[in-house]
Amino acid sequence: DQQVKQNSPSLSVQEGRISILNCDYTNSMFDYFLWYKKYPAEGPTFLISISSIKDKNEDGRFTVFLNKSAKHLSLHIVPSQPGDSAVYFCAADSNYQLIWGAGTKLIIKP
Amino acid sequence: EAGVTQSPTHLIKTRGQQATLRCSPISGHTSVYWYQQALGLGLQFLLWYDEGEERNRGNFPPRFSGRQFPNYSSELNVNALELEDSALYLCASSPGQLFILNEKLFFGSGTQLSVL
Repeated sequence: DQQVKQNSPSLSVQEGRISILNCDYTNSMFDYFLWYKKYPAEGPTFLISISSIKDKNEDGRFTVFLNKSAKHLSLHIVPSQPGDSAVYFCAADSNYQLIWGAGTKLIIKP
Repeated sequence: EAGVTQSPTHLIKTRGQQATLRCSPISGHTSVYWYQQALGLGLQFLLWYDEGEERNRGNFPPRFSGRQFPNYSSELNVNALELEDSALYLCASSPGQLFILNEKLFFGSGTQLSVL
């Protein structure tokens, strides 16, 4: 039973446009969410997080939105750059461990 | 400052053998986490060590075990290897004794284990 789902295995976006990556979760007890980015042959690196007391958190080109009623969060990247091409994972904090989605591969086209 | 280092980068074993994977956390980090990433799946939590103790364990059979040494480095052992154990094994570290809200995990590049 996947508690954190990223339903799009891949996403292709034109350079300069907005990238929107989506993540759904099933457990309403999750109260902290994180996004990590992973390049090939490297470990994931932390990107941005959001607590359930907020509905938005922004860091430069990256914004995460949380819709608790829909149990949905999204990561917006504006504008998208070639270096953003990577696999993006969302994760939820649950009882001293992170529950991870399967990831979305973002491809930024020149 | 050195990041999280894992060795070996690649490991090839046959069914029934044992595999040992190693991880050195960032200097000053006391917590080490192990994750398995099978092809097409998200990271699955395996084990969490802090201050030499196992603090939490994911939903994996007992043949997955590990330990943390006094210098906070860690070892993951997988006994009686099965084909489905083929995966990328990632180690991460974080400062502090507990997985506290707002703490970030710092990952190594992983060990790609192939079981033939």
